[in-house]
Amino acid sequence: QSALTQPRSVSGSPGQSVTISCTGTNSDVGRYNYVSWYQQHPGKAPKVLIFDVSKRPSGVPHRFSGSKSGNTASLTISGLQAEDEADYYCCSYAGSYTHYVFGTGTKVTV
Amino acid sequence: QLQLQESGPGLVNPSETLSLTCTVSGVSVSSNSYYWGWIRQPPGKGLEWIANIHYSGSTYYSPSLKSRVTISMHSSKNQFSLNLYSVTAADTAVYYCATLRSQDPYYFAYGGQGTLVTVSS
Repeated sequence: QSALTQPRSVSGSPGQSVTISCTGTNSDVGRYNYVSWYQQHPGKAPKVLIFDVSKRPSGVPHRFSGSKSGNTASLTISGLQAEDEADYYCCSYAGSYTHYVFGTGTKVTV
Repeated sequence: QLQLQESGPGLVNPSETLSLTCTVSGVSVSSNSYYWGWIRQPPGKGLEWIANIHYSGSTYYSPSLKSRVTISMHSSKNQFSLNLYSVTAADTAVYYCATLRSQDPYYFAYGGQGTLVTVSS
């Protein structure tokens, strides 16, 4: 099972919006509404931002939103803030054999 | 408050077994409400799921690691553990333990801070 494809990097100015894509196949992203997104600051553990494509855990700012179309999921950060500078990973459930597949990761620069 | 803490040797010899333990606080590992798992991240690279376990005894493994991995639970100590056999330099990574909610076991809800394991002689 190959990793989901993400852009290596995206950048934006404070207050702008950026969108990170996560492209999989019809065996993972396209088949299941179980895409999650994680934020990872340098030297820190990943933290979930979005689960089940578009749901936010309590405590995650509303400026983080998720969506999916076909085999591609997206994470949008609206009103970019300095503290949003981090690595972001998507993850999709991929069935009872592969289970979970992560994305290649995207570095967001503010 | 649910917390997870990884522990284990930071250096393992090639061909030997990497053994890690995750100590859970704030909830029982025997709770029906959670699955428990391991994820790893080689230095400078992305995340890779390794394995999950449920208190019922059900285990789930990454196909690419299944032949070398065992995940187990130690309820009396409120811990679960990972054994990775016949390690090579490619197994050098930060290893995270994590939990998934039984009601929605499709994302990693909480994780530990991670522990770096280096495979080298």
